[in-house]
Amino acid sequence: DTGVSQDPRHKITKRGQNVTFRCDPISEHNRLYWYRQTLGQGPEFLTYFQNEAQLEKSRLLSDRFSAERPKGSFSTLEIQRTEQGDSAMYLCASSWGSGANVLTFGAGSRLTVL
Amino acid sequence: GIQVEQSPPDLILQEGANSTLRCNFSDSVNNLQWFHQNPWGQLINLFYIPSGTKQNGRLSATTVATERYSLLYISSSQTTDSGVYFCAVENYGGSQGNLIFGKGTKLSVKP
Repeated sequence: DTGVSQDPRHKITKRGQNVTFRCDPISEHNRLYWYRQTLGQGPEFLTYFQNEAQLEKSRLLSDRFSAERPKGSFSTLEIQRTEQGDSAMYLCASSWGSGANVLTFGAGSRLTVL
Repeated sequence: GIQVEQSPPDLILQEGANSTLRCNFSDSVNNLQWFHQNPWGQLINLFYIPSGTKQNGRLSATTVATERYSLLYISSSQTTDSGVYFCAVENYGGSQGNLIFGKGTKLSVKP
């Protein structure tokens, strides 16, 4: 068990470019979550998967955002046509959705849009 | 939606002091977790505690679900305890995994 891994840890991009983040959850976890955290705030829920099915999406997830978990293992979060307001820490978490739903978070991917 | 309020927003302690962090929530919950976010941004799960009391070393937590609050106790604080402490809840009957976070308590422990 190597924990939840996220890549890249830091990304600097120009406005209008597309970016993609990857999350590898804890291997035995069937649930995977994406959160976003801006400076001075707590994380905010974006979306969640159970296995490969995307079961819920927040209103924060605009049409420019898309998340996938094609084989129920790793997940990607893509942001198209980035805007300066997208600058944030993107956090991935996973859990074993049975009994106590304890989320384990990765170290995050910090996005800076210039 | 459910509201989560944490207090105090900031706390400065001398090493060795004890502290109590509070989390109030506005509705019934079936999931409550306390996290510590270190200066590098990593969120570390401290407790899963939708009700009752748990202890782990110098840390303990109590949730009184009927009164809609949770407390995190830190005893004999160390400089490594510095960071932001978040309380996060999942509304009873709400979507699973949609943890609602408070704004956190920023703790600074001075040597």
